[in-house]
Amino acid sequence: KAGVTQTPRYLIKTRGQQVTLSCSPISGHRSVSWYQQTPGQGLQFLFEYFSETQRNKGNFPGRFSGRQFSNSRSEMNVSTLELGDSALYLCASSLDRGTMRGYTFGSGTRLTVV
Amino acid sequence: GENVEQHPSTLSVQEGDSAVIKCTYSDSASNYFPWYKQELGKGPQLIIDIRSNVGEKKDQRIAVTLNKTAKHFSLHITETQPEDSAVYFCAPLSGNTPLVFGKGTRLSVIA
Repeated sequence: KAGVTQTPRYLIKTRGQQVTLSCSPISGHRSVSWYQQTPGQGLQFLFEYFSETQRNKGNFPGRFSGRQFSNSRSEMNVSTLELGDSALYLCASSLDRGTMRGYTFGSGTRLTVV
Repeated sequence: GENVEQHPSTLSVQEGDSAVIKCTYSDSASNYFPWYKQELGKGPQLIIDIRSNVGEKKDQRIAVTLNKTAKHFSLHITETQPEDSAVYFCAPLSGNTPLVFGKGTRLSVIA
């Protein structure tokens, strides 16, 4: 059974550019959540999608956006990149939040903004 | 919102000794209590979880205990091995709110 797949694994971008990250959940999982991980702030929740609808959003500026497709794959976009956006971006999928079966994380996309 | 604190932030133990990490939360409505392990270059991986109607759960060398009255739960690792070295996160869950992670505990097992 394939796990959560995130692409690309590594990315280097310049300040002011935009970036799109992709997440393919485990087959059958309909809930996808995104987290930003930095040494200083730890794991911070970005947003959650279920059946193409955003169910929850963390405390991040509007430059951070996401979407989910009908096959449950999700993308997140960061526009006008800042140096502080350098982080590991993690995607997690689950059958549904309410099942409390635990979330399965991908290995993340390491974004470096220079 | 949920306020989660983990202690200690770093922990070094000799191989074969036990390790205990404590997680304190603020939301009394929390009803699911997982622990995640993150190894270098990987995402967090669920290693054990417990629901609010159970006080303790064990899976081989790892166990989780829950004290709902005091609002804390702990991860116990016995007979530690070098491969247990990683960062451990607690993430108590309340109903339909997103997972809120603790800051993490870096465990080093010294051979």
